[in-house]
Amino acid sequence: QAVLTQPSSLSASPGAAVNVTCTLRSGINVGTYRIYWYQQKPGSPPQYLLKYKSSSDYQYGSGIPSRFSGSKDASANAGILVISGLQSEDEADYYCLIWHNNAYVFGTGTAVTVL
Amino acid sequence: QVQLVQSGAEVKEPGASVKLSCRASGYTFSTLDINWVRQAPGQGLEWMGWMNPSMGLTGYAQKFQDRVTMTRDISINTAYMELSSLRPEDTAIYYCARGVFQGFDFWGQGSLVTVSS
Repeated sequence: QAVLTQPSSLSASPGAAVNVTCTLRSGINVGTYRIYWYQQKPGSPPQYLLKYKSSSDYQYGSGIPSRFSGSKDASANAGILVISGLQSEDEADYYCLIWHNNAYVFGTGTAVTVL
Repeated sequence: QVQLVQSGAEVKEPGASVKLSCRASGYTFSTLDINWVRQAPGQGLEWMGWMNPSMGLTGYAQKFQDRVTMTRDISINTAYMELSSLRPEDTAIYYCARGVFQGFDFWGQGSLVTVSS
């Protein structure tokens, strides 16, 4: 079982809200982790969107639109990247990242398609 | 502004080594770690290891422990990543990324390494 599992793909219409989940493996408590989120478009390196640990411990990358935000669902043991008001330019791959057991671990990645 | 500029594409035969560079500018190079991440064609991101430019300390992912070496030249604000015993499955884009507290913020543009006979 992967340490971080993401849905392989999501799709939504322009203007909709999309939740990209990053589920931590059983036994790893999401509450203790700072989760980083990245956006990657074809042919480009990943871009830092934001990091989120709690409602009082989060930070957005420089120039990142406010329609991107982070949260957690403790009951699902998951971090969440929320894209509100989806736009065509948000079509990309999204990855989560944590520091776990003295190593960085990426999520499996989610391809978001704007219908 | 912070920039990480990487070396160009490389083509190597199986069994060879490759050494990539990552030149930093726009901040004090010695103060933040440099990480290396790779992405095979059509695949996700895979972390390889970190290097602290100030002390030269390193930490490698277990998968690459015996094949990777990360070094730096502080005088020219440049980090290096050498991967040995290359095999076709090492074909990937290799990125350097600046480490901040438990994550990365700025990334290099990537260096394509192709391993083929």
